[in-house]
Amino acid sequence: EPEVTQTPSHQVTQMGQEVILRCVPISNHLYFYWYRQILGQKVEFLVSFYNNEISEKSEIFDDQFSVERPDGSNFTLKIRSTKLEDSAMYFCASSPNAREDFGPGTRLTVL
Amino acid sequence: EDQVTQSPEALRLQEGESSSLNCSYTVSGLRGLFWYRQDPGKGPEFLFTLYSAGEEKEKERLKATLTKKESFLHITAPKPEDSATYLCAVQYNQGGKLIFGQGTELSVKP
Repeated sequence: EPEVTQTPSHQVTQMGQEVILRCVPISNHLYFYWYRQILGQKVEFLVSFYNNEISEKSEIFDDQFSVERPDGSNFTLKIRSTKLEDSAMYFCASSPNAREDFGPGTRLTVL
Repeated sequence: EDQVTQSPEALRLQEGESSSLNCSYTVSGLRGLFWYRQDPGKGPEFLFTLYSAGEEKEKERLKATLTKKESFLHITAPKPEDSATYLCAVQYNQGGKLIFGQGTELSVKP
């Protein structure tokens, strides 16, 4: 069964550095998402992407964040200047319509 | 204001002891209610989507039901491998974001 994949599984970075989190959604899915989960807290929506553009973003998704689908298969989340509070698990998800399939996550640690 | 509230926060069961998890939501215009299972350090694993009051779905020892204000996840004769955090989420529109509850951490002891 097809799965959403994410790389890297764990990323450690220094505060102020840029990071790019990568995702390969399931190939025939139409909707793509990024969520994050701070340790011990709820899963929080960041951004959704449909038809090659952002369809919705949360207040967390400020100018430090950006998303791209550079080549029709990959889906990336960039954080330009990381902060300590960006430390979290970041999940990519994709959906054909009736369900959202999540990837295994990237654990981002900002020191 | 919390839109999705799950209870209890944690539940400990003996193997074979059936129980239910609750998810209540305060929003109107719900398109779908989703249940996920999440193991520690892993991504949420899809279980069910429910769309209308009265709808029920089953998978192995799990059955999800939906009313106009809440959903229940019934676990019948659970096994230790059912231990996980169970997440409930609501969606307003097709392709829209999921709004998650805080989860119920289920522990099943042999």
